[in-house]
Amino acid sequence: GQQVMQIPQYQHVQEGEDFTTYCNSSTTLSNIQWYKQRPGGHPVFLIQLVKSGEVKKQKRLTFQFGEAKKNSSLHITATQTTDVGTYFCAGQRNFNKFYFGSGTKLNVKP
Amino acid sequence: DSGVTQTPKHLITATGQRVTLRCSPRSGDLSVYWYQQSLDQGLQFLIHYYNGEERAKGNILERFSAQQFPDLHSELNLSSLELGDSALYFCASSDPKETQYFGPGTRLLVL
Repeated sequence: GQQVMQIPQYQHVQEGEDFTTYCNSSTTLSNIQWYKQRPGGHPVFLIQLVKSGEVKKQKRLTFQFGEAKKNSSLHITATQTTDVGTYFCAGQRNFNKFYFGSGTKLNVKP
Repeated sequence: DSGVTQTPKHLITATGQRVTLRCSPRSGDLSVYWYQQSLDQGLQFLIHYYNGEERAKGNILERFSAQQFPDLHSELNLSSLELGDSALYFCASSDPKETQYFGPGTRLLVL
């Protein structure tokens, strides 16, 4: 069945360093969403990408959707301690059910 | 606050028992999704309802069932509970753009 693989599982960075998490799907996706979950909290929607090759920016966060619509990445420039949490991607195929990646847990050392 | 409410917040029960988790979506949202998140794990999609009808099923066990009522609130029923069912159960509602808004979750502990 369809899977969305996400790497790395964990990332420890020093404050100010960059961070990237990657998601790969075995099949073409109709769209992909990104969520952030703070420790002890619930997932919070960050962004949705729909178009092939799409790049969107939110302040220090840059989201990309691959040309083949099978992979996506989230890049954070100059991490801050407020970026701590787990970042999930969630892919849809034919705008049907969501397939969540396993998440990347980000820890930022001050 | 996402606007999605879930009750109860915590639930402790014994193996073999049955529990019901409740979710109220954001005002105006017709879709409700249920997810299971085990300790330090990702989100496992269980089921999706849209305006009272089942739309998609994920890795939902036969011991689990759900429904969405005419007022759009949803319930997830978990029966013959096992230790491995201990997890955080989230529901989410979505707007027409498919953005999902997650509730605070119900933490279930099966002893």
